[in-house]
Amino acid sequence: GQQLNQSPQSMFIQEGEDVSMNCTSSSIFNTWLWYKQEPGEGPVLLIALYKAGELTSNGRLTAQFGITRKDSFLNISASIPSDVGIYFCAGQLNFGNEKLTFGTGTRLTIIP
Amino acid sequence: EAGVAQSPRYKIIEKRQSVAFWCNPISGHATLYWYQQILGQGPKLLIQFQNNGVVDDSQLPKDRFSAERLKGVDSTLKIQPAKLEDSAVYLCASSLGSTAGWTQYFGPGTRLLVL
Repeated sequence: GQQLNQSPQSMFIQEGEDVSMNCTSSSIFNTWLWYKQEPGEGPVLLIALYKAGELTSNGRLTAQFGITRKDSFLNISASIPSDVGIYFCAGQLNFGNEKLTFGTGTRLTIIP
Repeated sequence: EAGVAQSPRYKIIEKRQSVAFWCNPISGHATLYWYQQILGQGPKLLIQFQNNGVVDDSQLPKDRFSAERLKGVDSTLKIQPAKLEDSAVYLCASSLGSTAGWTQYFGPGTRLLVL
């Protein structure tokens, strides 16, 4: 089946640093989404991208939909302790009522 | 607005036993999903319902897994008999399932450990 590969697998950063992570696919997706999952909880949607090349922000988070439609990037600026968690990218073949194909996840840890 | 509810939150069983999970989606959400999340991986779709009909169950191991959504609201996912590799978090998600809203909202999950 389709797989989304995320890198890095884990990140250890200091509070205030910027964070960059990416997600690549072996096939095209027409919708890209970024989720965050905290311990003991389900994933929560952060940003949704619907058009190749699109750049979308949500507060300190910025995500881009790659031109090839096979990748996406998430940046977090000025990290704070509550940013800790696992970040998943997810793709949908088409926008709408379709299953999500999730990536492998990037675990973010903030060093005090 | 109440979120997606799941129970139980944790379950420990021995292999070859059976187990059932329950999900109550957000009120008014027509689409319901069950995902399996193995430790260290992203969630993987098992089955998708639109109202009480199955839309996609291509990745559901039908020899041991079954799911139903009889009245188009609550859903149950059953495993019988369980195997060691079924140890995972089982996530339920729901969405309006129409042009009014496609966002999938996830419940907290049920953590299953098979010994």
